[in-house]
Amino acid sequence: GAVVSQHPSRVICKSGTSVKIECRSLDFQATTMFWYRQFPKQSLMLMATSNEGSKATYEQGVEKDKFLINHASLTLSTLTVTSAHPEDSSFYICSAITGNVVFNEQFFGPGTRLTVL
Amino acid sequence: DQQVKQNSPSLSVQEGRISILNCDYTNSMFDYFLWYKKYPAEGPTFLISISSIKDKNEDGRFTVFLNKSAKHLSLHIVPSQPGDSAVYFCAALSNFGNEKLTFGTGTRLTIIP
Repeated sequence: GAVVSQHPSRVICKSGTSVKIECRSLDFQATTMFWYRQFPKQSLMLMATSNEGSKATYEQGVEKDKFLINHASLTLSTLTVTSAHPEDSSFYICSAITGNVVFNEQFFGPGTRLTVL
Repeated sequence: DQQVKQNSPSLSVQEGRISILNCDYTNSMFDYFLWYKKYPAEGPTFLISISSIKDKNEDGRFTVFLNKSAKHLSLHIVPSQPGDSAVYFCAALSNFGNEKLTFGTGTRLTIIP
C-alpha cells in the first residue's frame, strides 16, 4: 500500500507555544488529507478535511484558528497547533486518499504524540 | 454522540481459537463499514470492509458480518494468532464516495499463546 509519513513522531512543548506537524504522502499524490486526534482509550475523532490548494473544512467543535491546516502541495499537509495548552495533548493522526473512490485507499500516517507541559 | 460503538473495550482469546469483535451503529445513513487494526503509537491499518448491500465479506482469516436490521457488524478472526494482538476499530461511511470515516472506540484484543 501507499506510505504516509508524519513528522515529528513525538513532541513535547511548553504551554503557549505553537507546534507544527507535517503529513506527507511519500509515493502518491494526495488530493485530500484528513486530520484526526485520539485521546487515550477513545476513538479517532476527525478534526478536519484538507484539500490541496483550498481551505480546510473543519468538523463541528474544532477551532480553526487554533488548529491551522495548510495543504500546500499534493504530497504535504501541515497541522499547526497554536498557543498549545495541556488539554491539546493528544495523538494526532493524518490520513490521505488518492482521489480514488475505493474506500480502503485511505492511508494513515503513524501519528504524532503531542505533550503540552 | 457516539454513532459507532464498540461496547467491549477489551477481549482476550486463546491462540488458535476464534476472535469475535462487535460493533454497533446508530446512523442508518451509513452504507459502508471498515475494520482497522492499530498498534500503539502507529496509525490504523485497513483490514477488511463491507458494503451495506452485502451481509458477509471474507478475506483469509478475517470475515466481517453485517446485520443491517440490527445495525450491527462483527469481525471474526480465525484462527487467532499472537500477532493479532492490537486495538481494532470499526469505522463507517455514509454515502458512496464520501471518505469521512466515523470510528468506534476500539477493542483491545489480546491473543494468549
